[in-house]
Amino acid sequence: GAGVSQTPSNKVTEKGKYVELRCDPISGHTALYWYRQSLGQGPEFLIYFQGTGAADDSGLPNDRFFAVRPEGSVSTLKIQRTERGDSAVYLCASSPQLAGGDTDTQYFGPGTRLTVL
Amino acid sequence: SQKIEQNSEALNIQEGKTATLTCNYTNYSPAYLQWYRQDPGRGPVFLLLIRENEKEKRKERLKVTFDTTLKQSLFHITASQPADSATYLCVLPFSGGYNKLIFGAGTRLAVHP
Repeated sequence: GAGVSQTPSNKVTEKGKYVELRCDPISGHTALYWYRQSLGQGPEFLIYFQGTGAADDSGLPNDRFFAVRPEGSVSTLKIQRTERGDSAVYLCASSPQLAGGDTDTQYFGPGTRLTVL
Repeated sequence: SQKIEQNSEALNIQEGKTATLTCNYTNYSPAYLQWYRQDPGRGPVFLLLIRENEKEKRKERLKVTFDTTLKQSLFHITASQPADSATYLCVLPFSGGYNKLIFGAGTRLAVHP
C-alpha cells in the first residue's frame, strides 16, 4: 500500500521567502507528526496532530512556523520569512493512534530537503 | 533535560560479524525504547520496540537489550550483511508524552564484504 508521501522532495528558496511543505499520511492514520532533521542529527519533534487539531506544537521553533491539517488527512507545514538556519530535511510521520495504545509505530515519509540561500 | 547519547563515530565491521550499537540516556525513565533504521535520503523505519519490563527482544537477526539501571540499550545485528549498512537511531518517548519521540543522533554502520 501507499506510504507517507511528501512534496516537494527538494525546495530551494531565498532568505525571506515563504514556503509550504506538504505531507500525505497513510490513509486512515489519525496521528500526524512533523520533524526537522539537520545534518548528522536525529529528527527533532516540531508538532503533533490528532485528527484536525494540533495536540502539541511545543517543538515549533518560533512563530514563523505554522502547520495545518484542515480535514484530518493532508498536512501543510508553512514557514514564513525563511532564514538560512531553517535549512534542513523536514520529515512527516503518521500513525494509526490505536485506541488505548501508547506505542504506535510511526511511519515516516522521505522528507523534504529545504535549502534557504 | 532528557538526553540520548549514541556513538557518533561510524562502526565498520566485516560481513558475517555481529554489530553492536550502544544507546545511553540520562535524566529519564522511559516506559519503552525503540530502534529505527535510516538510509540516506530516506525517512527512518521502525525496527524494534522494547518495554521497560523486558530485558531483551529479538527479531530475526536483530536483538535489543534494555537495562533501566544502567540507562542503556544495546542493539545487535548478527551475521551482518552489506545491506545492513545504514544509520541506526535510538528513540525514546518524551516523558509523559504519548508518542512524542526523542531521537538520538544515530550511529552509522558500514558492513564491508
